[in-house]
Amino acid sequence: GENVEQHPSTLSVQEGDSAVIKCTYSDSASNYFPWYKQELGKRPQLIIDIRSNVGEKKDQRIAVTLNKTAKHFSLHITETQPEDSAVYFCAASSRAAGNTGKLIFGQGTTLQVKP
Amino acid sequence: DTAVSQTPKYLVTQMGNDKSIKCEQNLGHDTMYWYKQDSKKFLKIMFSYNNKELIINETVPNRFSPKSPDKAHLNLHINSLELGDSAVYFCASSLWDDIKGRYNREQFFGPGTRLTVL
Repeated sequence: GENVEQHPSTLSVQEGDSAVIKCTYSDSASNYFPWYKQELGKRPQLIIDIRSNVGEKKDQRIAVTLNKTAKHFSLHITETQPEDSAVYFCAASSRAAGNTGKLIFGQGTTLQVKP
Repeated sequence: DTAVSQTPKYLVTQMGNDKSIKCEQNLGHDTMYWYKQDSKKFLKIMFSYNNKELIINETVPNRFSPKSPDKAHLNLHINSLELGDSAVYFCASSLWDDIKGRYNREQFFGPGTRLTVL
C-alpha cells in the first residue's frame, strides 16, 4: 500500500540556521505533496505544497523540492525563528487513489528552534 | 468566523459508552474528512465524503460510523468506546475542482476533538 516515510523525527536548530526535513513515498502515481505545520495543541495548517509537474517551489523562507525519479521530497526552512517550532508533516496524494484526494501522511518531525 | 468547526473540543467518557463528534464547514467545500491523531502524533485518514457520498473508508472498526447530512456537515458516531479510541479526531474539508480535474487541493482542518476514554 501507499507509504510515506519522514525523517528526522526530531530536529533541533539554532535560531537563524536552516532546517531540512525529508520524505520518501512509495506510490509512483503520487502527484501532490503538501506540507503541514502543527503547533502545540493546534490544528495542522498547510504551509506549502508542490505538484508532480514542478521540481521546486519557494515561498519566502520555506521551499520544497521534489525528485520524482527518487520518489522523495524535502522541506527547507531558512533563517529559522522560534515561532517555526512545531511538528511538520509531509503528505502525498495519488490519482490512483480513485480521485478521492486521499492524503497519506508521514510520521511528523518535531522542529525546535533555540533562541 | 471559524472555517471548519468541531464540537465538542474535549470529550471524556467511560469505556462502553456511545458518543458523537460533529463537524461543520462554511467554506463551500464539497469534500470532508475524518482523521485520527494518536498519542505519537501520527495522522491517519479514517473516512471521507464527497457531496454526501462516502468515498474513503479506511480499515476502521465498524464501531465508527460517519454520517453526512449535507455537504457542510460530517459527523462521527462511535459505539462501545474502547481505551484505544483515545486520540484527537480532526475533521477537514477541501474543494474538488471538477472543471480542471484538480482533486488534490488544500485540506482545511478543524480544531480537533480530544477524546479520552477511561
